Amino acid sequence: AQSVTQLDSQVPVFEEAPVELRCNYSSSVSVYLFWYVQYPNQGLQLLLKYLSGSTLVKGINGFEAEFNKSQTSFHLRKPSVHISDTAEYFCAVIPTGGFKTIFGAGTRLFVKA
Amino acid sequence: GAVVSQHPSRVICKSGTSVKIECRSLDFQATTMFWYRQFPKKSLMLMATSNEGSKATYEQGVEKDKFLINHASLTLSTLTVTSAHPEDSSFYICSAEDWGDNEQFFGPGTRLTVL
Repeated sequence: AQSVTQLDSQVPVFEEAPVELRCNYSSSVSVYLFWYVQYPNQGLQLLLKYLSGSTLVKGINGFEAEFNKSQTSFHLRKPSVHISDTAEYFCAVIPTGGFKTIFGAGTRLFVKA
Repeated sequence: GAVVSQHPSRVICKSGTSVKIECRSLDFQATTMFWYRQFPKKSLMLMATSNEGSKATYEQGVEKDKFLINHASLTLSTLTVTSAHPEDSSFYICSAEDWGDNEQFFGPGTRLTVL
């Protein structure tokens, strides 16, 4: 079975500051990793994904994430956040060969002026 | 990218009535669609996996007779909340898998409020 842990339920940060949203996973098999963003009353939008290859993945809106297999982590980073980045962020995994997405509990990023 | 739509985006109904939510993949064929429920400030809870032309697979604890799922074509899955009650009020999100892409595309969600 797989599980995803997002260590921070809320992350407040000032505009133009860097941010890191943490994600750790547990799985007995290889997984694909995803980060999604959800704005209020909307569905999920894919930020980035790791399937294979380079462990540093760049996504939309200036976000990037690094897959660390030894630490089973996939932390999301942005060097300078904007007010518009305020949203809920979900880390998720799909086991290779599987099809069900397992979501973390989410991290609320709140960007202050 | 692939687009998934949901209709309606918002619905308010009286207790005891049934509500149908549609999920469509607009520019690709989806052999598998997923239905999620999201409670306020919570993560997504997978309710069921819907495969075209076959019965849906429900997650443990989800009532099959309460949440009827039909996946009649490669571009349409429907979720019917039967005899809705206030505790069924929630945000329902569908997603569709573009076969071979290892990625799910999510609909914008449907806010159901049962009075």
